[in-house]
Amino acid sequence: QKEVEQNSGPLSVPEGAIASLNCTYSDRGSQSFFWYRQYSGKSPELIMFIYSNGDKEDGRFTAQLNKASQYVSLLIRDSQPSDSATYLCAPVGGSNYKLTFGKGTLLTVNP
Amino acid sequence: EAGVAQSPRYKIIEKRQSVAFWCNPISGHATLYWYQQILGQGPKLLIQFQNNGVVDDSQLPKDRFSAERLKGVDSTLKIQPAKLEDSAVYLCASSLGASGSLVDTQYFGPGTRLTVL
Repeated sequence: QKEVEQNSGPLSVPEGAIASLNCTYSDRGSQSFFWYRQYSGKSPELIMFIYSNGDKEDGRFTAQLNKASQYVSLLIRDSQPSDSATYLCAPVGGSNYKLTFGKGTLLTVNP
Repeated sequence: EAGVAQSPRYKIIEKRQSVAFWCNPISGHATLYWYQQILGQGPKLLIQFQNNGVVDDSQLPKDRFSAERLKGVDSTLKIQPAKLEDSAVYLCASSLGASGSLVDTQYFGPGTRLTVL
């Protein structure tokens, strides 16, 4: 059973702070990793993906990947109330490049 | 560019009834996915199509769920008969489906919220 573990939260941070969202995965064959954001009652939308060890930055978002530790994280700098949502981690694996989603972490950014 | 379209947006049925959902993917996207998302959980893949062929249906409860993608474009997902535990949001997603791509991004439709009473 391939598993993706995320802290369900809620993770509460003040506006302007850095939010750190963590994800561990069990499938060592996973080669790339997606982060999606899902607002309440809405569908998931892509934030970014990463496939190389290290950091990848996109605006206020930084994804970090450590395949040896089977760990991927998402940092959100200068958090805004509009960032309040559930963040879903999804490793890609298998011959059909299937996404396996975690349960997500609920982030609340307080003004 | 138009996104993934789904209908209906909401559906309420009695248990043992049947229901069907429709999805129209982004134009040019070869791969289409149906996910089930139960409240508080992440999306779970039910079935993946590449053009009009099934790539993965390992988590589709085939005794009650069926899906088809005729002509490699639109798709329908059917549940017959529905159970209480089928209450969930059914999400359709599509991607370009570039063969062997590790970063083949999936784009999600708005979903259909199903309530089974």
